[in-house]
Amino acid sequence: SQQGEEDPQALSIQEGENATMNCSYKTSINNLQWYRQNSGRGLVHLILIRSNEREKHSGRLRVTLDTSKKSSSLLITASRAADTASYFCAPKYSGGGADGLTFGKGTHLIIQP
Amino acid sequence: SAVISQKPSRDICQRGTSLTIQCQVDSQVTMMFWYRQQPGQSLTLIATANQGSEATYESGFVIDKFPISRPNLTFSTLTVSNMSPEDSSIYLCSSGLRSYNEQFFGPGTRLTVL
Repeated sequence: SQQGEEDPQALSIQEGENATMNCSYKTSINNLQWYRQNSGRGLVHLILIRSNEREKHSGRLRVTLDTSKKSSSLLITASRAADTASYFCAPKYSGGGADGLTFGKGTHLIIQP
Repeated sequence: SAVISQKPSRDICQRGTSLTIQCQVDSQVTMMFWYRQQPGQSLTLIATANQGSEATYESGFVIDKFPISRPNLTFSTLTVSNMSPEDSSIYLCSSGLRSYNEQFFGPGTRLTVL
């Protein structure tokens, strides 16, 4: 399948700790996007990283991309209770095909107070 | 980033009926898409809504069940036809300026079919 696969599927940490989740994909990509979903609501766009970029930051979020390993990671620093959510990666493959995105099962992050 | 709204936000419907979901984007966009998220599952792309032509459906989705309209660059509708309990899902629309730009999502429509 062409979706990204997030790992771990579930992660529970204490508030204030850092959370790292990973995404692996199959073939060459143009970019990769990370999203957050709270309690079955809409997806919030977090970061888009392009294939020629290795790292991007946005506030407490840091995304890395390693195209040689076909993997990306999302780091959330100094986690807060409000970060409790599901996180999805969505690779945009460069070989054409549908312009829509494909999603894996996500990482379900729980921040313990 | 585009701001996307959907109506209704939720609905409870009887089997055999149809529901039309509206998606409005606050700026002109090239790409609009519809997704389904069944309970406890990830998102699945239903179709690409094309302006002025028929939508492009993904494998497993057909126009008779999910007719889509896109009359202009900022608006689209998805109809869930002849509903059954298996159609109970969150339906989300998304949009993007270009194929390789960010895609933003609406808040979703939570549909329950009894």
